[in-house]
Amino acid sequence: GQQLNQSPQSMFIQEGEDVSMNCTSSSIFNTWLWYKQDPGEGPVLLIALYKAGELTSNGRLTAQFGITRKDSFLNISASIPSDVGIYFCAGLKTGGYQKVTFGTGTKLQVIP
Amino acid sequence: ETGVTQSPTHLIKTRGQQVTLRCSSQSGHNTVSWYQQALGQGPQFIFQYYREEENGRGNFPPRFSGLQFPNYSSELNVNALELDDSALYLCASSPSALADPTQYFGPGTRLLVL
Repeated sequence: GQQLNQSPQSMFIQEGEDVSMNCTSSSIFNTWLWYKQDPGEGPVLLIALYKAGELTSNGRLTAQFGITRKDSFLNISASIPSDVGIYFCAGLKTGGYQKVTFGTGTKLQVIP
Repeated sequence: ETGVTQSPTHLIKTRGQQVTLRCSSQSGHNTVSWYQQALGQGPQFIFQYYREEENGRGNFPPRFSGLQFPNYSSELNVNALELDDSALYLCASSPSALADPTQYFGPGTRLLVL
């Protein structure tokens, strides 16, 4: 099935550093979502973006909905050990039904 | 407010068997979607139910079927299990298929097919 392209695939960073990851698609989406998944658990919604160009923050997280509607990025500032996990972007096309297409994931490791 | 719950948490089946997975949606949510997540990959959309009707389906064969009940809880049934069906099965609910599309996930059911 289709998956969005996420980069980087994985990253190791020092605690306190900022992190940036992005997601691109060949298709246009109406909504972009960012999720974090811990091992053995379901994805947890971090940020939802509903309009092209929208920039939204949630604590240390900031995400933007690209103006072309084909991309999005997520920034994490001042990383802490509990930020470890896999981050997924997801694009959603509404109209009829909501099919969410997930990215390939970015695995984040934080070194204390 | 109770979140999305799924049962069972883990399941082991053999090839050819049938399995039923269950999901209780978050209170006030009338839309349920099911996803299959293979190890190391992102979730793949299986289908979505809105007010007890299937209203969208991903690229999965007919042996993957589902139901949604009047209380908006849902079941995923998989017949004739294959080894490749081993995965984490995720259920997600959303307030409305038409209004707020944001999906909230349950913890998943880990299925192993031997």
